[in-house]
Amino acid sequence: DTAVSQTPKYLVTQMGNDKSIKCEQNLGHDTMYWYKQDSKKFLKIMFSYNNKELIINETVPNRFSPKSPDKAHLNLHINSLELGDSAVYFCASSQIQPGNTIYFGEGSWLTVV
Amino acid sequence: SQQGEEDPQALSIQEGENATMNCSYKTSINNLQWYRQNSGRGLVHLILIRSNEREKHSGRLRVTLDTSKKSSSLLITASRAADTASYFCATDAGNTPLVFGKGTRLSVIA
Repeated sequence: DTAVSQTPKYLVTQMGNDKSIKCEQNLGHDTMYWYKQDSKKFLKIMFSYNNKELIINETVPNRFSPKSPDKAHLNLHINSLELGDSAVYFCASSQIQPGNTIYFGEGSWLTVV
Repeated sequence: SQQGEEDPQALSIQEGENATMNCSYKTSINNLQWYRQNSGRGLVHLILIRSNEREKHSGRLRVTLDTSKKSSSLLITASRAADTASYFCATDAGNTPLVFGKGTRLSVIA
């Protein structure tokens, strides 16, 4: 009964590869997010989608491309992976109203070697 | 830009003691939330306090908000080893998404 599920949980890949992380939420929320948490635990928002439409795109390299086939899914595709992309990527969702609780997935640990 | 800043960065206490973590922010907010992250896991919502509220309780948690000082505190009373985790504050201001701080790493020693 996982509310926000993301796969894979662990991903080790070589520089230059392209990889995707999938995310699904079964909470009926309108808004989904991708956050990146670096080695110092700093959590930074990357993207926010509302009903499949991009509403926030923070300063993120265009190698990162989110795709939302429907409002329950928000996948993250990363092209030409670099060493600095190594981090934990969290998918999350919430109702659209500001101030609502955000529900996080368990994270995807990406290591680029 | 980063909004919330937790203080201290790390805190180590004995089981049974109270743990206090602080959060300062820079701009006006609508709401402030506290989240908990266990090692290797996602963040879990703990409590939300609105800008017109000054104090809120939930079980062993007590949150205060001082909008004049742009600060909040999270108090965990009678701490347990299972409270060991990182704690983050997050703020929103209208239509902006939640912005998280760097967190406080709490270690509760049995």
